[in-house]
Amino acid sequence: DAGVIQSPRHEVTEMGQEVTLRCKPISGHDYLFWYRQTMMRGLELLIYFNNNVPIDDSGMPEDRFSAKMPNASFSTLKIQPSEPRDSAVYFCASSFLPGAETQYFGPGTRLLVL
Amino acid sequence: GENVEQHPSTLSVQEGDSAVIKCTYSDSASNYFPWYKQELGKRPQLIIDIRSNVGEKKDQRIAVTLNKTAKHFSLHITETQPEDSAVYFCAARDTGTYKYIFGTGTRLKVLA
Repeated sequence: DAGVIQSPRHEVTEMGQEVTLRCKPISGHDYLFWYRQTMMRGLELLIYFNNNVPIDDSGMPEDRFSAKMPNASFSTLKIQPSEPRDSAVYFCASSFLPGAETQYFGPGTRLLVL
Repeated sequence: GENVEQHPSTLSVQEGDSAVIKCTYSDSASNYFPWYKQELGKRPQLIIDIRSNVGEKKDQRIAVTLNKTAKHFSLHITETQPEDSAVYFCAARDTGTYKYIFGTGTRLKVLA
């Protein structure tokens, strides 16, 4: 298995632009998680899905952030409009039942908003 | 909700010595505690985990202990090697969900 796949790996954009991050979970995994990692705040869970349905989005910082999972093999995290404080590494992770305990992380997308 | 504290934030040890990282959690109902290792510029990778019905688990040079009464768990690395240098994160699974609450990380440096 290729593991969790994320694209792009690096993104540089200007403030106010829309940014879309993409994730393909491991085949057969029921859960998908989006995290943001910064030096100041560490690893923060933004949102997670179970069987393509958003379960908990309490970590989404504000309305500029949105996430979708149209099918079992694809999810997007969108930021519109982007701001410099959104600069971070965004990780996607997946896991599967039974147990759903071990989360496997993707390589991350390093986002820089100028 | 769950809260996880991790100490120390940085740790330097001589090669061959042991390293210990400690975490405390707040929700006594949490039942799963993974440890992740993150090398510079890489993704977090699971190195060991423990469930609440077990007090200790070992995998070669790495061990994790859990004290449910005190609500703390620790990572022990013996015979440290330079390749053990990385940031280590503990986490606790929030009760009734599949959310991890992560600690703030420990930067381990193994000095050759």
